[in-house]
Amino acid sequence: NAGVTQTPKFQVLKTGQSMTLQCAQDMNHNSMYWYRQDPGMGLRLIYYSASEGTTDKGEVPNGYNVSRLNKREFSLRLESAAPSQTSVYFCASSTANYGYTFGSGTRLTVV
Amino acid sequence: RKEVEQDPGPFNVPEGATVAFNCTYSNSASQSFFWYRQDCRKEPKLLMSVYSSGNEDGRFTAQLNRASQYISLLIRDSKLSDSATYLCVVNGAGTYKYIFGTGTRLKVLA
Repeated sequence: NAGVTQTPKFQVLKTGQSMTLQCAQDMNHNSMYWYRQDPGMGLRLIYYSASEGTTDKGEVPNGYNVSRLNKREFSLRLESAAPSQTSVYFCASSTANYGYTFGSGTRLTVV
Repeated sequence: RKEVEQDPGPFNVPEGATVAFNCTYSNSASQSFFWYRQDCRKEPKLLMSVYSSGNEDGRFTAQLNRASQYISLLIRDSKLSDSATYLCVVNGAGTYKYIFGTGTRLKVLA
């Protein structure tokens, strides 16, 4: 039972480069989320998808786009990376009122 | 006021001690509450849900106080392996979103 799988685990980008973070879950959860975690800031919601076909902005959406490809997959795209996007990114999925299952995270450094 | 607030700690306690953390939340309509554990450089993992009547799982007890809008986590007989950051999570009422506290760091000392 894989749960939530994120790729890649590590990435270094140059300022201005683009990349897509991939996330897939095999738990048949309707809702999926992208968070970033920075020291002293806690987990902040970037985007979420309550169900297949819908996406909504979270607390810190600027500089990101998302795609809910199907029920299993929810990708996060950085179109033009900036040093301020250096962070640890977590994908998560959930059923209503149960709480989240997280992926193992992507450590992104933008230089 | 932050939506979810936690004392960042660290709480340094000896093995075998009992330690308790509180977490306050601002939205009185919140319905779902959780404690997560996060080890260094790892993803958060669900420790336990928090029910209105309080609930216990082994050495861990979670309680909800709706009147004062806080949840608590009590750890008895602390183990070295309990050293981690404990995140309080509260749902935004009427949404699928959960709000995370910044976490309370626990260090259990030998």
